[in-house]
Amino acid sequence: DIVMTQSPDSLAVSLGERAAINCKSSQSVLDSSNNKNHLVWYQQKPGQPPKLLIFWASIRESGVPDRFSGSGSGTDFTLTISSLQAEDVAVYYCHQYYNLSWTFGQGTKVDIK
Amino acid sequence: EVQLVQSGPEVKKPGQSLKISCKGSGYRFTNYWIAWVRQTPGKGLEWMGIIWPGDSETKYSPSFQGQVTISADKSISTAYVQWSSLKASDTAMYYCVRASGSPDYWGQGTLVTVSS
Repeated sequence: DIVMTQSPDSLAVSLGERAAINCKSSQSVLDSSNNKNHLVWYQQKPGQPPKLLIFWASIRESGVPDRFSGSGSGTDFTLTISSLQAEDVAVYYCHQYYNLSWTFGQGTKVDIK
Repeated sequence: EVQLVQSGPEVKKPGQSLKISCKGSGYRFTNYWIAWVRQTPGKGLEWMGIIWPGDSETKYSPSFQGQVTISADKSISTAYVQWSSLKASDTAMYYCVRASGSPDYWGQGTLVTVSS
């Protein structure tokens, strides 16, 4: 299994400040046939299913505010919230889906400082 | 509009059987994978397995192989996961997830509680 490790487990950021979450995979999730990384980022709020934010590691889902961005390739990825808003308080997960064998990061809780 | 609508919450006793469902609408059901994901406070999100409703090709996570059965009925655009003998440790929220190249839509979740 590919192990996904997120850091930090939690972070508190002031409103309007930048938040960055890292995700490291135990092996590459880059598909060399199409040069796409099989990685997505989700936001989950209490009582709701995860909501897709970023797919193919860096493409923002339709309707997601542009303060959310994804970067990285291979084994190291980052989700950045450029200017934290109150509605961004949530748990964020990375998820790899390489070779039809899925695994998830343990989640990062984002709060307001 | 794409929707995955899951069956309602269940309360069961250990040893009982259960089958929960996920009905897809707003897209061609046979052209996308459907995965099942378990979520618990202790272990987070865990992938259980995935099915291609077009031909019922199925792949299980090693952690769930033999513990659950994933199936689909393409005639009614519905996927299922079932247990033959529930344990207390099966208490969790269960989600179905649609995927093509990448996962996109999630069902609303089905809460399963197993308690004597």
